[in-house]
Amino acid sequence: EVLLVQSGAEVKKPGATVKISCKVSGYTFTDYYMHWVKQAPGKGLEWMGLVDPEDGETIYAEKFQGRVTLTADTSTDTAYMELSSLRSEDTAVYYCTTLGTTSPFDIWGQGTMVTVSS
Amino acid sequence: SYELTQPPSVSVSPGQTASITCSGDTLGDKFACWYQQKPGQSPVLVIYQDTKRPSGIPERFSGSNSGNTATLTISGTQAMDEADYYCQAWDSSTSYVFGPGTKVTVL
Repeated sequence: EVLLVQSGAEVKKPGATVKISCKVSGYTFTDYYMHWVKQAPGKGLEWMGLVDPEDGETIYAEKFQGRVTLTADTSTDTAYMELSSLRSEDTAVYYCTTLGTTSPFDIWGQGTMVTVSS
Repeated sequence: SYELTQPPSVSVSPGQTASITCSGDTLGDKFACWYQQKPGQSPVLVIYQDTKRPSGIPERFSGSNSGNTATLTISGTQAMDEADYYCQAWDSSTSYVFGPGTKVTVL
């Protein structure tokens, strides 16, 4: 079975950094980009960026450039999303996904809730 | 930055056809796909590469993309189709973008 299993919910203070993991199973990790998508409470989906697990290359959405770091560890088949300088607007569910824009291979993690509160 | 627009809501009677539009500059030149999201769940791909349907997605879901508009059509809408629908587009110059989402209500 193809699965993306994300780490658990996080509560952080403003200014802190959060790092979320996304463990892959059931397919070859390096065959597909890993994307990260943000969904604030009651809001829509927002693309944050992607990492190519094969070579570690990244592309970030302009809005998150400089604050987000996406990495991939091929020894553990795990992708990571690190978001720094957290503020209240970063309170959201964050998803990892293979994002099937041009292919039917579209798998999503269960989402990780990040709450930023003093 | 590239932007997509969708109507905030669409209402449809059971058994009727729902059409959800997604507009963006020269969207027809990009790849478009559509996601369905129900409350508390991760999104599900219902159309990819403009018109293709992943396995397991009912035939009542279809897509088109031309000019500045992509359209998701749900024929013979069922109560289980009530959800939020997001378009998403990609090309090498604009990268990946989601539309703001459309809430489909089956009355």
